[in-house]
Amino acid sequence: DQQVKQNSPSLSVQEGRISILNCDYTNSMFDYFLWYKKYPAEGPTFLISISSIKDKNEDGRFTVFLNKSAKHLSLHIVPSQPGDSAVYFCAASARDQGGKLIFGQGTELSVKP
Amino acid sequence: GAGVSQTPSNKVTEKGKYVELRCDPISGHTALYWYRQSLGQGPEFLIYFQGTGAADDSGLPNDRFFAVRPEGSVSTLKIQRTERGDSAVYLCASSLTGQGGYGYTFGSGTRLTVV
Repeated sequence: DQQVKQNSPSLSVQEGRISILNCDYTNSMFDYFLWYKKYPAEGPTFLISISSIKDKNEDGRFTVFLNKSAKHLSLHIVPSQPGDSAVYFCAASARDQGGKLIFGQGTELSVKP
Repeated sequence: GAGVSQTPSNKVTEKGKYVELRCDPISGHTALYWYRQSLGQGPEFLIYFQGTGAADDSGLPNDRFFAVRPEGSVSTLKIQRTERGDSAVYLCASSLTGQGGYGYTFGSGTRLTVV
């Protein structure tokens, strides 16, 4: 039972354009959502998060949107840069779960110069 | 140290052998997590420690897997009678409080290969 799904295994975008990464979830108890970025041979690093009481959070070039009714979140990167090329994971947690994260399968983003 | 340290970075072992994977969290972080990442998948939760005790071990796949954190700092993940299906990258993360899921710092992982 995949509670967090990233249906696009890969995405290719031209430098300077917008990258949109999508994530769907099934568990309505999730109250916190996060995006992590992972380079090869490194651990995931935290990128941006959003609480379920908000529908948007912005940090520089990165914006996360949450649509609770659709159980869908997305990460927008504008403008995309070659250094953004990595695997992006969305993750979710529930308040009573002690910070345990449920991850999606990941989307590999490639930003071409 | 400044980050989460995991040793060894790579481990190759024969099927049936016992392995130990070590995680040294950020000093002062009370929460420690183990995850397993198989090829093409996201990290999968194994176990969570708050201090010395395992607060949630619901992700351990079977009784061949065991983890300890005796002094509330370093943790060791132990796998008995390894199987080829145990091959994966084992990730450790720590956080200050264990709340909200943010503020995790992951280590670089241990790549375990069972041959």
